[in-house]
Amino acid sequence: NAGVMQNPRHLVRRRGQEARLRCSPMKGHSHVYWYRQLPEEGLKFMVYLQKENIIDESGMPKERFSAEFPKEGPSILRIQQVVRGDSAAYFCASSPSSRSNEQFFGPGTRLTVL
Amino acid sequence: AQRVTQPEKLLSVFKGAPVELKCNYSYSGSPELFWYVQYSRQRLQLLLRHISRESIKGFTADLNKGETSFHLKKPFAQEEDSAMYYCALTQGGSEKLVFGKGTKLTVNP
Repeated sequence: NAGVMQNPRHLVRRRGQEARLRCSPMKGHSHVYWYRQLPEEGLKFMVYLQKENIIDESGMPKERFSAEFPKEGPSILRIQQVVRGDSAAYFCASSPSSRSNEQFFGPGTRLTVL
Repeated sequence: AQRVTQPEKLLSVFKGAPVELKCNYSYSGSPELFWYVQYSRQRLQLLLRHISRESIKGFTADLNKGETSFHLKKPFAQEEDSAMYYCALTQGGSEKLVFGKGTKLTVNP
């Protein structure tokens, strides 16, 4: 089992462009979580998804951010019209069920907005 | 609001010395507490959780509800323990983890 995969590992965008971050959960895991880590901060929850459903998006900014976890393929975190403040490390985690409570983390995507 | 506080950003000890990484939380219900660790160039991984009441790599952590603390302890630190340590909690009925800002532990030879 290769673990949670995230790509790209590093992403550079100019202000106003779109950023797409991908997360492939561990095999057999149907729950995906996205977290953001700003410099000098801890990880902050953004969104929790199951296949084709958003369960909890209480940590998502109201505008420009969206997430999906389609029936086939990876989960996608999409940031439209990026601004410098979006520069951060974005981590994805997965778990096999909501009761396991252990979340397995990916290596993260470091987004830099110029 | 739920909050996890790790008062020490950096902690440095010598090999063989005891180490304690502090974690305090604020939450009105009954949270589940975790310690996650990130070794250099590795991904974040679960170290231990309070419901397991187990010792991992010599580390233990006891939940003190009176003091709302979940400090991580190890009696004899090793150089390979050098890493970033994050305390986290989940709120009852929710799956999202609330993290502290982390403590960078350095164990010197």
